[in-house]
Amino acid sequence: QKEVEQDPGPLSVPEGAIVSLNCTYSNSAFQYFMWYRQYSRKGPELLMYTYSSGNKEDGRFTAQVDKSSKYISLFIRDSQPSDSATYLCAMRTSNTGNQFYFGTGTSLTVIP
Amino acid sequence: NAGVTQTPKFQVLKTGQSMTLQCAQDMNHNSMYWYRQDPGMGLRLIYYSASEGTTDKGEVPNGYNVSRLNKREFSLRLESAAPSQTSVYFCASRLDGYEQYFGPGTRLTVT
Repeated sequence: QKEVEQDPGPLSVPEGAIVSLNCTYSNSAFQYFMWYRQYSRKGPELLMYTYSSGNKEDGRFTAQVDKSSKYISLFIRDSQPSDSATYLCAMRTSNTGNQFYFGTGTSLTVIP
Repeated sequence: NAGVTQTPKFQVLKTGQSMTLQCAQDMNHNSMYWYRQDPGMGLRLIYYSASEGTTDKGEVPNGYNVSRLNKREFSLRLESAAPSQTSVYFCASRLDGYEQYFGPGTRLTVT
């Protein structure tokens, strides 16, 4: 079983829709959770970062962590064509550790 | 402030050839990383360096060597390239306690 599971999609939604992207994980020691956005033929860029359980909002993006269910989500409100990209979840156990665990990414297309 | 830079952007090698991928960061980060990204496999850690002068193996180190030349630069060397090393390679850097920042990637094809 992989440490982090992520549905690869592809996911296609109309402009303005609410998008929900999800990852599940198996290691209960994960405490730091990240979402990266990767445009085609580019490097991943950090989008959201959360520590432990709870919600974090940044503009149209909300990251949610449910440690009891080992489940994290990224919500995109009022989706735009510029949100079309692959979204990678990532997580790690400690603040000083160097081992990051990535999901395989979900491909999202927002249709104008 | 260029962030993380990688050279070259593209490379085609024949089986058995060697090459070095270069990475540099100007953010004064302590840690640097090399990943490979393959379809359906996600990002897999090859090697990392927690500080200047130290390197450690990641998940898929076989066939690769690294050098942390100084705080800014971290290179990845393929001594004898194999078709299985065809991939997109990303370098990343990180300040302790914060998250990773990635370079634009190197697309490598080994024929």
